[in-house]
Amino acid sequence: AQTVTQSQPEMSVQEAETVTLSCTYDTSENNYYLFWYKQPPSRQMILVIRQEAYKQQNATENRFSVNFQKAAKSFSLKISDSQLGDTAMYFCAFMKYWGSQGNLIFGKGTKLSVKP
Amino acid sequence: SQTIHQWPATLVQPVGSPLSLECTVEGTSNPNLYWYRQAAGRGLQLLFYSVGIGQISSEVPQNLSASRPQDRQFILSSKKLLLSDSGFYLCAWTRDLSVEAFFGQGTRLTVV
Repeated sequence: AQTVTQSQPEMSVQEAETVTLSCTYDTSENNYYLFWYKQPPSRQMILVIRQEAYKQQNATENRFSVNFQKAAKSFSLKISDSQLGDTAMYFCAFMKYWGSQGNLIFGKGTKLSVKP
Repeated sequence: SQTIHQWPATLVQPVGSPLSLECTVEGTSNPNLYWYRQAAGRGLQLLFYSVGIGQISSEVPQNLSASRPQDRQFILSSKKLLLSDSGFYLCAWTRDLSVEAFFGQGTRLTVV
C-alpha cells in the first residue's frame, strides 16, 4: 500500500521569504502522480501543483515549485516570496495512476503560517 | 463547467443516530468519487472511492458505508453514529482524463 508522510506538522515563514515543505512517500509503482493541495481557512481544497513521475523536470507554478527526487521518494514544495494568502494547510498527495482505478492518498498535512 | 455540491455544511447528531451525507457532481459524467474524513491532527483519511454506479471500494473498515445510486451522486451513511465519527468530511471527484481532484466545501459532523 502507498503511504505519504509529511514530517512537519506546522511551519511559519515571514512574508516575502521562501519556505520549503517536505513530503516523502512509499510505493512500488513506477508510474504515478504527486500533488500538493492547499486548504485555506475557508476549507475549500484546491490543487497547487502536480508532478508526473515519468517527468524528470520539476514542476513549477508561478511562486510554487517542487523538488522531485524519485529515487529518494521525496517531493518537497518550495514557496517563494511568501504572501499572507499562502497561510493554509498544505497536503502532499499521491495517485497511483490516472484512470478509473486510481485513488488519491494524502499525507497528514503541514500547517503553514505566513507572518507579516 | 463542473461543480460539486456537498451538504449539509454542518451537522450535530446524537450518538446512535443514523447519518446521511450527500454529494453530487454537475457538468461531467462517470466521475471517480471519493469520501475523505479530516480529523483534527490526523490529516485526510480516504474512506471510500467509487469508479462507477454501485461500485464502492472501502479503504478503512468502520461503521460507515457509502453508496452510489446514480452516476453523479455519492452518499455517505451510518446506521448508528459513534463519538469517534466526529470530524470534517470531504467529497471529491476526479475524471479519467485529468488527475486533478475537485473538492466540495465539506461537512462538519459533531456527534454528541
